[in-house]
Amino acid sequence: GAGVSQTPSNKVTEKGKYVELRCDPISGHTALYWYRQSLGQGPEFLIYFQGTGAADDSGLPNDRFFAVRPEGSVSTLKIQRTERGDSAVYLCASSLTGAKLEEQYFGPGTRLTVT
Amino acid sequence: QKEVEQDPGPLSVPEGAIVSLNCTYSNSAFQYFMWYRQYSRKGPELLMYTYSSGNKEDGRFTAQVDKSSKYISLFIRDSQPSDSATYLCAMSAPTGNQFYFGTGTSLTVIP
Repeated sequence: GAGVSQTPSNKVTEKGKYVELRCDPISGHTALYWYRQSLGQGPEFLIYFQGTGAADDSGLPNDRFFAVRPEGSVSTLKIQRTERGDSAVYLCASSLTGAKLEEQYFGPGTRLTVT
Repeated sequence: QKEVEQDPGPLSVPEGAIVSLNCTYSNSAFQYFMWYRQYSRKGPELLMYTYSSGNKEDGRFTAQVDKSSKYISLFIRDSQPSDSATYLCAMSAPTGNQFYFGTGTSLTVIP
């Protein structure tokens, strides 16, 4: 079956613009995670969804970042007033129930460049 | 202090060598430990996970956790060129939903 997909694969935007990044998790997976990976770093947790609700958004760096998952499947990460420091690869992962020792399946990421 | 420390390398070894990858951590509440492999421009993929202390073996891979020293290791036996990738450790506490990743160690296995 299909894995986690993310669109677009690359996004270049100007400082100050608004961007939306999309994640299509594996069908039937209730848990969905967003991470940000800067160059030479490991993934940094942003937000965790269980179904439609954001169960843990403690990793969002500030109020310019927001994410939704209105129907419990596809999720969109939204970044307002982008800054050059937002440039990174944004990774999405899903797992079946969100249990701790359950495998998280990662998508290929969206590479965001803010000029 | 970062929650998880991992030497970024790069690490270069000849084919067939035994590779040792390590992470240290500061949070004694961590109970769940994972190793991921990440190829260039791809998302991480889970290699192994362990709960609490002890060893776990899967084929050429062995994961070890020493909670008393807050130190985890991944050993790769008979390394292959296809093992060339970045290896990330990750860990989590029983409460909360966050997984904390190391910076990753870049490994190259030379044929």
